[in-house]
Amino acid sequence: AQKITQTQPGMFVQEKEAVTLDCTYDTSDPSYGLFWYKQPSSGEMIFLIYQGSYDQQNATEGRYSLNFQKARKSANLVISASQLGDSAMYFCAMREVGRDDKIIFGKGTRLHILP
Amino acid sequence: DSGVTQTPKHLITATGQRVTLRCSPRSGDLSVYWYQQSLDQGLQFLIQYYNGEERAKGNILERFSAQQFPDLHSELNLSSLELGDSALYFCASSVEGQSYNEQFFGPGTRLTVL
Repeated sequence: AQKITQTQPGMFVQEKEAVTLDCTYDTSDPSYGLFWYKQPSSGEMIFLIYQGSYDQQNATEGRYSLNFQKARKSANLVISASQLGDSAMYFCAMREVGRDDKIIFGKGTRLHILP
Repeated sequence: DSGVTQTPKHLITATGQRVTLRCSPRSGDLSVYWYQQSLDQGLQFLIQYYNGEERAKGNILERFSAQQFPDLHSELNLSSLELGDSALYFCASSVEGQSYNEQFFGPGTRLTVL
């Protein structure tokens, strides 16, 4: 069974608009971490944001925030005021802490920001 | 520049061969992660080392092995290579081994198996 689901293979968004990239996860482990990574067309991987399962507040890093809804098992990435440089592939990932500590990735969402 | 270095940048080899990929973490980082990115398998976590010891294991094949040396650099050894091993291999490092630590990625090694 797929543990990380990103339902949007591709998205087109107008510059300066806010973007929400969806991610749902599946785990029975009470202790886990959720990550988002960005991969521009140049190929490098960039760590964006982390949310722990016990964190009370949603994680934020600059224009990135993670909309963490534990009961729904969802960890959507919100990018405010999108910029052309946000065009990239975005991956959601989960780590089940204390189990086997594997990190599992979703298939990614390709985001295109339109001028 | 993340501070993580990977060599070589590109590697072309033949089936059945063995190769070694090298990673030097950021100064001060104790943990090293290896990832594989291929078209059919997507992005996969292979293995993590923390201060010389294996910390977590992902979908790493038995033909693959890794280690982290006392100077904290890491090597990923891939043997009996198959066409399907062609992929981009990333190394990442973090300060400690905990999940909440930000990971810094190297530029990757592009492996092509012919």
